[in-house]
Amino acid sequence: NAGVTQTPKFQVLKTGQSMTLQCAQDMNHNSMYWYRQDPGMGLRLIYYSASEGTTDKGEVPNGYNVSRLNKREFSLRLESAAPSQTSVYFCASRKPGVGTDTQYFGPGTRLTVL
Amino acid sequence: GENVEQHPSTLSVQEGDSAVIKCTYSDSASNYFPWYKQELGKGPQLIIDIRSNVGEKKDQRIAVTLNKTAKHFSLHITETQPEDSAVYFCAASRGVFSGGYNKLIFGAGTRLAVHP
Repeated sequence: NAGVTQTPKFQVLKTGQSMTLQCAQDMNHNSMYWYRQDPGMGLRLIYYSASEGTTDKGEVPNGYNVSRLNKREFSLRLESAAPSQTSVYFCASRKPGVGTDTQYFGPGTRLTVL
Repeated sequence: GENVEQHPSTLSVQEGDSAVIKCTYSDSASNYFPWYKQELGKGPQLIIDIRSNVGEKKDQRIAVTLNKTAKHFSLHITETQPEDSAVYFCAASRGVFSGGYNKLIFGAGTRLAVHP
């Protein structure tokens, strides 16, 4: 199993450009999450998907959209990138079932917006 | 709102010493407390977790303690080794038992350096 994979690993955008960050998991997990990590602030939840076909806002959703394409894939889209969105983005997934709280993280995408 | 405070932000120890990282949470309904280790250029990886019905949990050189009354939990690493050098994050959650979506609130992280 590859676990949680993310593409691309690095990206540089200009202000106003758009892009989509891709995430996929091969562990048959139901729930998937997108976080951003900024220096001194830990990880903050942007959006999550409890199951295929559902998505909900997290702590910092402004400026982002998501798509749960199928059970495996959960993408994050920046429609008009801003310098404040410079960050490292992590995708995570959690296996189904009561009591299964562990989230498994991907390797991250480092995004710079100029 | 919900908050997790983590201290210290940086920690430097000699190989073989112990390291302790402390976290305080604000949401009294939290019942799941994981610790993640993040190595340079990688995503966070779970190293140990504890639930509110347990006061302490050990896994080889790593242990976590929880004081629900004080809303404190701590990570203890004994006999530290250079490969323990990383950023450690604590988190708190109400867990999936509450019917929620397992929202993890993370601390800001502790950068641990273990010197040979």
